[in-house]
Amino acid sequence: EIVMTQSPATLSVSPGERATLSCRASQSVSSNLAWYQQKPGQAPRLLIYGASTRATGIPARFSGSGSGTEFTLTISSLQSEDFAVYYCQQFNNWPPYTFGQGTKLEIK
Amino acid sequence: QVQLVESGGGLVKPGGSLRLSCAASGFTFSDYYMSWIRQAPGKGLEWVSYISSSGINIYYADSVKGRFTISRDNAKNSLYLQMNSLRAEDTAVYYCARPLFKGGLLADYWGQGTLVTVSS
Repeated sequence: EIVMTQSPATLSVSPGERATLSCRASQSVSSNLAWYQQKPGQAPRLLIYGASTRATGIPARFSGSGSGTEFTLTISSLQSEDFAVYYCQQFNNWPPYTFGQGTKLEIK
Repeated sequence: QVQLVESGGGLVKPGGSLRLSCAASGFTFSDYYMSWIRQAPGKGLEWVSYISSSGINIYYADSVKGRFTISRDNAKNSLYLQMNSLRAEDTAVYYCARPLFKGGLLADYWGQGTLVTVSS
């Protein structure tokens, strides 16, 4: 099973600033990496798939990069609605499609 | 628009059973693999099970294998999860999810979730 490790566990950033979240896979997942956003009491929302493709309706301030084992989600200018928990997920080796443990993005 | 509505959650004693349902609408249900994904309170996400569009291919996480059974009724646009021999560690919100692409498993649409609590 591929283990996905996200860092940091919590990230404190001020609105308007840039946030950079990391995700590392225990073995190569090529570009088969997705990012989800989850707000309290809500289901996860797909942001990015294929490591860098934004899902439908996702603002351009969200961008993904990386391949192999190292991936990054960047939010270029944080809006109030962006403070949430972010999960990465590999969909290269299945079963199972494993998730990271999440990064909580909080207001500084 | 795509809608997924889960039901059937609740409080059950250890060793008990529950059957979750997911009613799908707004898309051709029979074209898509479907999955159950869960989230324990305050924890991360865990893929529980998926079923292919025809129902032939099925996967279970090791943590639920032998206890949970996924099924679907394409005529009723419904997905099910029969959960037996429930344990405290099965306590979670259970989400039904539809993938982004036909034949794929990358979850794009999610239901609102149904809470399963296993406690004596």
